[in-house]
Amino acid sequence: GESVGLHLPTLSVQEGDNSIINCAYSNSASDYFIWYKQESGKGPQFIIDIRSNMDKRQGQRVTVLLNKTVKHLSLQIAATQPGDSAVYFCAERNTGNQFYFGTGTSLTVIP
Amino acid sequence: DTEVTQTPKHLVMGMTNKKSLKCEQHMGHRAMYWYKQKAKKPPELMFVYSYEKLSINESVPSRFSPECPNSSLLNLHLHALQPEDSALYLCASSQDPAGAYEQYFGPGTRLTVT
Repeated sequence: GESVGLHLPTLSVQEGDNSIINCAYSNSASDYFIWYKQESGKGPQFIIDIRSNMDKRQGQRVTVLLNKTVKHLSLQIAATQPGDSAVYFCAERNTGNQFYFGTGTSLTVIP
Repeated sequence: DTEVTQTPKHLVMGMTNKKSLKCEQHMGHRAMYWYKQKAKKPPELMFVYSYEKLSINESVPSRFSPECPNSSLLNLHLHALQPEDSALYLCASSQDPAGAYEQYFGPGTRLTVT
């Protein structure tokens, strides 16, 4: 399943499928990006980050891709599990060294 | 210990009340933050403390007053709030005030203004 983040804030996927969550960022000068996961009733939790000198970074079951040309960031979750159900936010570090969050995408995993 | 704690978890207050939210971290982080999050919206930055000094105020109304008593503690004093201030208030900390590393978030305080 795939979302376009800012335009489609919800995404439903079958358990075991791969998920792709997209984020369009606004500032071409932003140089550091973070994906956070926020479960209901909890604060955002760090998933993975990427700096602007990289195009791709992999973690455990997650991969972040950065396309600076079109100012686009994506989070790929492999073999999505019910515990992955949450809201996912991308955050960009601006020229003032502070992070600003995107709209978020709500991911629902169907067992 | 990679935890940011916040108290209370829930708070209901009237528009004439004065209350405080508290945040604590013991990771030695030198930057601490307050965010406000409305339902189904992303967190919005309110204040940043860098080395215990207020470095950023994102044009927050004066009815919100932050305080950083020491490097581990961050308070948010609330006075004469409005119902539209009802939200989840998140505290975060980071190793580096320049934003070179990720922020660690607390669970938040759910505030309701009646």
